[in-house]
Amino acid sequence: AIQMTQSPSSLSASVGDRVTITCRASQGIGNDLGWYQQKPGKAPELLIYGASTLQTGVPSRFSGSGSGADFTLTISSLQPEDFATYYCLQDYNYPRTFGQGTKVEIK
Amino acid sequence: EVQLVESGGGLVQPGGSLRLSCEASGFTFTSYAMCWVRQAPGKGLEWVSTISGSGGATYYADSVKGRFTISRDKSKNTLYLQMNSLRDEDTAVYYCAKHRVAATSGTIDFWGQGTLVTVSS
Repeated sequence: AIQMTQSPSSLSASVGDRVTITCRASQGIGNDLGWYQQKPGKAPELLIYGASTLQTGVPSRFSGSGSGADFTLTISSLQPEDFATYYCLQDYNYPRTFGQGTKVEIK
Repeated sequence: EVQLVESGGGLVQPGGSLRLSCEASGFTFTSYAMCWVRQAPGKGLEWVSTISGSGGATYYADSVKGRFTISRDKSKNTLYLQMNSLRDEDTAVYYCAKHRVAATSGTIDFWGQGTLVTVSS
């Protein structure tokens, strides 16, 4: 199974900060990667698919980049509603595997 | 509007069985692959199983293979997860989710609100 390693596992940031989360696959996965946001007690929501395509309705401050094995989710200017846990998911093959998550907290 | 509503969760003893259901609406059910993803209390997300739009292809995580069965009923627009030989480590919120395409490729683009399964004696 492909292992997805996310970093950092948590971070503290202020409103307006630029935030970067990385995800590394244990093998090349092309651009078959999605990013999800999950708030406490809620279901995850898709932010980015195909490594860099913004899901409809997602604010443009979110962006994704990378291909092969290294990927990045960037929030250009952190907003109060962005404090949440973020997960990457490889959809290159089965079994699907998630990163362990990155919790973004208020500084 | 896409809606996925899970039901069937609850408390079950180790070794017991449970069937989860997920009623879908707001989209053409047979045009999309569907899946189950779970989240143990305080833990991350774990993909469990996927079924193609036609129902002809299925995939399972090693942790549930041989114990869980995914299926779908197009006449009822409903996805199922039959869970047998349940273990303590199966305790989790189980999310029903929709893929972006009919084939089992493609990412997950919409999730239900989840149903809690607790395995305990």
